[in-house]
Amino acid sequence: NAGVTQTPKFQVLKTGQSMTLQCAQDMNHNSMYWYRQDPGMGLRLIYYSASEGTTDKGEVPNGYNVSRLNKREFSLRLESAAPSQTSVYFCASSEGEEYYGYTFGSGTRLTVV
Amino acid sequence: GQQVMQIPQYQHVQEGEDFTTYCNSSTTLSNIQWYKQRPGGHPVFLIQLVKSGEVKKQKRLTFQFGEAKKNSSLHITATQTTDVGTYFCAGLRSNDYKLSFGAGTTVTVRA
Repeated sequence: NAGVTQTPKFQVLKTGQSMTLQCAQDMNHNSMYWYRQDPGMGLRLIYYSASEGTTDKGEVPNGYNVSRLNKREFSLRLESAAPSQTSVYFCASSEGEEYYGYTFGSGTRLTVV
Repeated sequence: GQQVMQIPQYQHVQEGEDFTTYCNSSTTLSNIQWYKQRPGGHPVFLIQLVKSGEVKKQKRLTFQFGEAKKNSSLHITATQTTDVGTYFCAGLRSNDYKLSFGAGTTVTVRA
């Protein structure tokens, strides 16, 4: 009954370093999403995958790449981290794009120094 | 930019009182969803409204979708300390079916 699992929970990076945030869901959901949450900004969509094999940009995709590895896993990569990418990152999944509530993971708190 | 606006940003409530948070969109929405995020936690799906003028209740929480499908409200009666957290609305845009989140209303409760 894990739902959406994100790793790591916390990470500190130096400017210019790269890293991959992992996300896996065990609910057989078709759609997966990556959001970032900053104070006063709500949740902003970085990238999403409507179904296995497809990925699309969201509102704030610059500086990020994603991979939908299979139906369960959707990873987010920061190629060259910048302090502006300090944020809390949430992965979410849903049965489909329309008319389904999202299930969120517990988040990754990332600090770039 | 953000297309779903929520007011107020902060709500300080005396335990036992009622309050309402509002969500407004510049475009027509296919549906509206509400989420709750406890401090330090992640957003948790509460409810979805689809029909124009729809009203749904969950115990002390009443959710409403406007007739024009551009606004929504969440009304909490007899606030309890367990209601502490940030409430987000999220609208599914009719033109591209992408979920747009509001900035949230952060609720604190005075005992």
